[in-house]
Amino acid sequence: EAGVAQSPRYKIIEKRQSVAFWCNPISGHATLYWYQQILGQGPKLLIQFQNNGVVDDSQLPKDRFSAERLKGVDSTLKIQPAKLEDSAVYLCASSPRDRGSYEQYFGPGTRLTVT
Amino acid sequence: AQSVTQLGSHVSVSEGALVLLRCNYSSSVPPYLFWYVQYPNQGLQLLLKYTTGATLVKGINGFEAEFKKSETSFHLTKPSAHMSDAAEYFCAVSKMSSNTGKLIFGQGTTLQVKP
Repeated sequence: EAGVAQSPRYKIIEKRQSVAFWCNPISGHATLYWYQQILGQGPKLLIQFQNNGVVDDSQLPKDRFSAERLKGVDSTLKIQPAKLEDSAVYLCASSPRDRGSYEQYFGPGTRLTVT
Repeated sequence: AQSVTQLGSHVSVSEGALVLLRCNYSSSVPPYLFWYVQYPNQGLQLLLKYTTGATLVKGINGFEAEFKKSETSFHLTKPSAHMSDAAEYFCAVSKMSSNTGKLIFGQGTTLQVKP
């Protein structure tokens, strides 16, 4: 079974530029998560999708961040315009959310550097 | 609100020695508890999880953790450290009653294994 795929793996941009990240979850997983992991910290949830609907986006900075999950499969996370403090690893995770299963499977992440 | 505290941002052990990584949580409702490992430039991999039932949980790579409700702890142990165990370890909590499966992560503990 293929794991969670993310691209690009690395991205360097200047502040005020825009950037987009892509995630392809494990086939059949209904739930998709985007996390932000700042250096030296644990991952923080940005947004959660159940199929193609948003379940939780309470910690997403909506003035600059947006995300969508087309057809309940792939997802993109966009930042526009980027700030220096957005430098982080952006992790995508998916979960089958079967009864009793809360296990999340993580992709390798996209490391964003904003200069 | 839920929270996770990992005591010690860096732990150093000798190869063959006991590994003990500490995690305390705060939750107003019964929690689900997780330990994830992150190797450099990779995503998070689930080591083990506690949902219900037996409080001593065995995971991959010889790791285990014990849920102690009275101490609100979920410490991770391994009897004998191996060089390949060097990585960053994250403890996470989720609400048992949650309909989102949202994970709250601790700050992480970097494990160094000395030869």
